[in-house]
Amino acid sequence: GDSVTQMEGPVTLSEEAFLTINCTYTATGYPSLFWYVQYPGEGLQLLLKATKADDKGSNKGFEATYRKETTSFHLEKGSVQVSDSAVYFCALSDHRGTGANNLFFGTGTRLTVIP
Amino acid sequence: SAVISQKPSRDICQRGTSLTIQCQVDSQVTMMFWYRQQPGQSLTLIATANQGSEATYESGFVIDKFPISRPNLTFSTLTVSNMSPEDSSIYLCSARTSGYTDTQYFGPGTRLTVL
Repeated sequence: GDSVTQMEGPVTLSEEAFLTINCTYTATGYPSLFWYVQYPGEGLQLLLKATKADDKGSNKGFEATYRKETTSFHLEKGSVQVSDSAVYFCALSDHRGTGANNLFFGTGTRLTVIP
Repeated sequence: SAVISQKPSRDICQRGTSLTIQCQVDSQVTMMFWYRQQPGQSLTLIATANQGSEATYESGFVIDKFPISRPNLTFSTLTVSNMSPEDSSIYLCSARTSGYTDTQYFGPGTRLTVL
């Protein structure tokens, strides 16, 4: 079945450091891929998405490229800030024949950025 | 996009009681979803709620335990019935805005503690 494997956390970085959070997926067909972010005490917010191979999603300085050949969607940011401290979830959306779709989430990676 | 609100934001309940969580979307949406996020874990889909039809439950979740209503295109409720401490989780509502997108937007969640 469809699944997402995400880099284990927690990750602690100094401000302005480079961030990579690895995400690989298993899916039949051609899923859409997402990164969601959950700030402390809040719900999930969509950070970025990509719907087909070689698409690059980007938002707030974060980027991720849909790599079909390596079934990956790694999240990167060139210079993290303290305000980026949150839990990051990689997810994929299947496409069921009924037109419904389900989101499969990774386990989440907690990022802490220290000044 | 869609703005989603949930009520209550948190609650502490006694074993054996039931709690109904409300989810309101600021626009008409095709599909609504209910997820559970157990402490320190990722999200698990409970069910998909379509307006005008019964909810579709994922494996491991049953209607008697988690009855769902979807009376119109902007509102849904999830009831957690006959609660036990194992039901202590964050319950999140999400919505998909149209049949042409697979992006889901999430509410802030309801933090439930069962004593």
